[in-house]
This record gives sequence, structure tokens and C-alpha cells, in this order.
Amino acid sequence: RKEVEQDPGPFNVPEGATVAFNCTYSNSASQSFFWYRQDCRKEPKLLMSVYSSGNEDGRFTAQLNRASQYISLLIRDSKLSDSATYLCVVKYGGATNKLIFGTGTLLAVQP
Amino acid sequence: GAVVSQHPSRVICKSGTSVKIECRSLDFQATTMFWYRQFPKQSLMLMATSNEGSKATYEQGVEKDKFLINHASLTLSTLTVTSAHPEDSSFYICSAPTGGIFTGEQYFGPGTRLTVT
Repeated sequence: RKEVEQDPGPFNVPEGATVAFNCTYSNSASQSFFWYRQDCRKEPKLLMSVYSSGNEDGRFTAQLNRASQYISLLIRDSKLSDSATYLCVVKYGGATNKLIFGTGTLLAVQP
Repeated sequence: GAVVSQHPSRVICKSGTSVKIECRSLDFQATTMFWYRQFPKQSLMLMATSNEGSKATYEQGVEKDKFLINHASLTLSTLTVTSAHPEDSSFYICSAPTGGIFTGEQYFGPGTRLTVT
């Protein structure tokens, strides 16, 4: 079983749609959680951290359920520029800053 | 602007040769850097953790004698792919922790696309 699992997609949605991505992680000792965005043939960039209480940044809302080891990302009012691969990322506890990446979910927003 | 740079951005080499990739932190010091590899349509896989002034820590299944890592200064880590083979063709990305309060956030370099012919 992969340590961080995501639905690979692709998710094809029209502009203005709301889309949700899910992610599960296997290590209960995971400490920190993030969503990164990766454009085609580019490096990943941090989209947002995910907090236990849930957090929102503009059109983006992230949720964490530690009991279910489940993370989600909701994008409202999708824009063409949101088209990218969204990576669910988990950091284990301890001193290391090692990140474990999910395989990513591809989003294609259609005009 | 970019805070982690990589050089070269793209390299094509012949099978059997060695290739060196540089990763620099531009406006901060990084005692730790990470090297990832990404094959097409796959996620980033951590190869090794580069530690300034000490030996790198390699992930399981990564050959340390094939992927040589040197972290000689607080702003530079290098990855050398020795005796490259076509199966080493991949996108290599380095990153450095930001050191912020939300430990785990990292700045990524723009990546190096290696093609071995």
C-alpha cells in the first residue's frame, strides 16, 4: 500500500465548478500535511498547509481528519489557471523534514 | 523570485558518462537539502537527504555509489549521477526546508531534466 494515496484523475471540470480532491495516508504518526501544486514539467509549489481545524485560503479549503487519516482539498469557482496536478504531501513526526508525496491528482479546467 | 536554483535545467548525456547537478539556496542557508526524482506521470520520490558537512542519507533502494551527493557548503548541494544509463533519465528536483514554524514546508528548485541516450 502506498504511504500517501490519491485519485490520479484526471478531473475535467468546467470553469466555475467546485471540485474536491481526496487523499489518505497510512502512517498514523504523520505530523504535518500540505497540498502542493505542480504545473506540467515544473517544480512543485506549496499551495497550503492543512490544519486539524480545517483552513481556507480564498477559493481553496483544506480539511484534515486524523481519525480517518484523510485529507481533502476543495476548490470553488474553478479557473482555467487552476489546471495543474495537486499533490497531497505528508510529513512524519520527528526532527526530519522529509516529505512523502502522493502521486497527485490532475485537474483540467475547461473553458 | 526563486530561492532555490538548479543547474543545468536540462542535460543530455551518453550512456556511461557522469552528470553533475547543482542545487543552490539563493538567499538563505540550508544545512539540509533533499533530492527527488520524478518519472513521467509519477510522483516525486525522495532519493536522499543531503547534510552539510556530513554524509548524505539515502532512501531504501537508492544506490549511494551511483548517486553521489556532496553538500560542501551551506548553500550548495550537488548530485552526481555516475555511469548513467537510459533508465536514469528522469526529472531530478532538489529542495530545501524553509525553516519556518510550519516545519515541512520546502522550497523546490526548478528541476533538471536528464536524458541519457
